[in-house]
Amino acid sequence: NAGVTQTPKFQVLKTGQSMTLQCAQDMNHNSMYWYRQDPGMGLRLIYYSASEGTTDKGEVPNGYNVSRLNKREFSLRLESAAPSQTSVYFCASSPDRGRSGSGYTFGSGTRLTVV
Amino acid sequence: KQEVTQIPAALSVPEGENLVLNCSFTDSAIYNLQWFRQDPGKGLTSLLLIQSSQREQTSGRLNASLDKSSGRSTLYIAASQPGDSATYLCAVHGSSNTGKLIFGQGTTLQVKP
Repeated sequence: NAGVTQTPKFQVLKTGQSMTLQCAQDMNHNSMYWYRQDPGMGLRLIYYSASEGTTDKGEVPNGYNVSRLNKREFSLRLESAAPSQTSVYFCASSPDRGRSGSGYTFGSGTRLTVV
Repeated sequence: KQEVTQIPAALSVPEGENLVLNCSFTDSAIYNLQWFRQDPGKGLTSLLLIQSSQREQTSGRLNASLDKSSGRSTLYIAASQPGDSATYLCAVHGSSNTGKLIFGQGTTLQVKP
């Protein structure tokens, strides 16, 4: 099925460990996004890639890095995990930064716990 | 700064009722507004997208309206069913080059059989 695929679905990390969250879309979308969802805070943008070869910070980029590997893939890296990064992470994509009528497609999320 | 508010935060209704979920936003300069559904522990499923030039969109029992001038959108669910129980999120795409979505906190709906 066409869509946005995120791996892994669940992960437990110890404080200070690093990991990379993977995201891939097969809809030939130009724009990709990483959000985190926390109780009481809603969804907040971490980083985005408006087009292949570009990445920019969102609202809450501290402690994260991203790589737009190619048009399909956009990864999120935690270099030194902290308990404050316990969250659900969603990857999303859009054909053209949401300006068309196609809107956004979201992945199923990665549930990350940092202990 | 764009802010999106959804009221109520939670709603419980008996099966068969028609209901309205509300979304308000502070900056009327938007490209579009999108309603999503989120089931517990799951991702976001797009329900309806309304472009800034449109007033409403319909899909089955769902109807979403947009009034840019007043900064409001409503999601109308007709003849509610237990399977409609979920959290409904409203998201605004503002006038920026980022494509960033600003989300409301959501309304958690429970439809009782």
